[in-house]
Amino acid sequence: QVQLVESGGGLVKPGGSLRLSCATSGFTFSDYHMNWIRQAPGKGLEWLSYIRSSGSTIYYADSVKGRFTISRDNAKNSLYLQLSSLRAEDTGVYYCATDAHGEYFMDVWGKGTTVTVSS
Amino acid sequence: SYDLIQALSVSVALGQTARITCGGNNIGGKNVHWYQQKPGQAPVLVIYRDSNRPSGIPERFSGSNSGNTATLTISRAQLGDEADYYCQVWDSSVAFGGGTKLTVL
Repeated sequence: QVQLVESGGGLVKPGGSLRLSCATSGFTFSDYHMNWIRQAPGKGLEWLSYIRSSGSTIYYADSVKGRFTISRDNAKNSLYLQLSSLRAEDTGVYYCATDAHGEYFMDVWGKGTTVTVSS
Repeated sequence: SYDLIQALSVSVALGQTARITCGGNNIGGKNVHWYQQKPGQAPVLVIYRDSNRPSGIPERFSGSNSGNTATLTISRAQLGDEADYYCQVWDSSVAFGGGTKLTVL
């Protein structure tokens, strides 16, 4: 079955950087579009970024444009999110999720990895 | 950005029908998707494209969308349905509603 496992979260100082990974299995990764979504403590869901299966199309939320970079390695069945210039408000749980239908919704979600930005 | 408005909370008696709404400007012209998130867990897709259920989602979950309101309906509500529910659309980017906490009394 489809499995997504995020990693790379941790404690980082304001202004710092972090690279999140999403390891996938149970499906043909190169056929699926992918998303990153986050959730601040006690808050709702916030979509961050989308990448098409081929990597040819990428979208970002305005809140992270210019600071976060999404990428994928279809040979390694992995999705990435490079976080830079981190702020306290970037603290939260970061989820990766599939978009199997190509209709901009999230079919399957990983369990998430926690990022804490604090001095 | 496209605003999606959800009530903060909805309560329903055990075994009754819960309706969770999602308001947006002419949302009836968009595809609406719904997610369920239980405490400490990742979200789960429960309805996609207004009214379609993914495999494994009970028939008690249904959706509709017209005009300025989309609705997630949960029939015969169970204690296990207590969760936060989020609506979502695509409008040049992904937009989520603020979420509705469902309490089953």
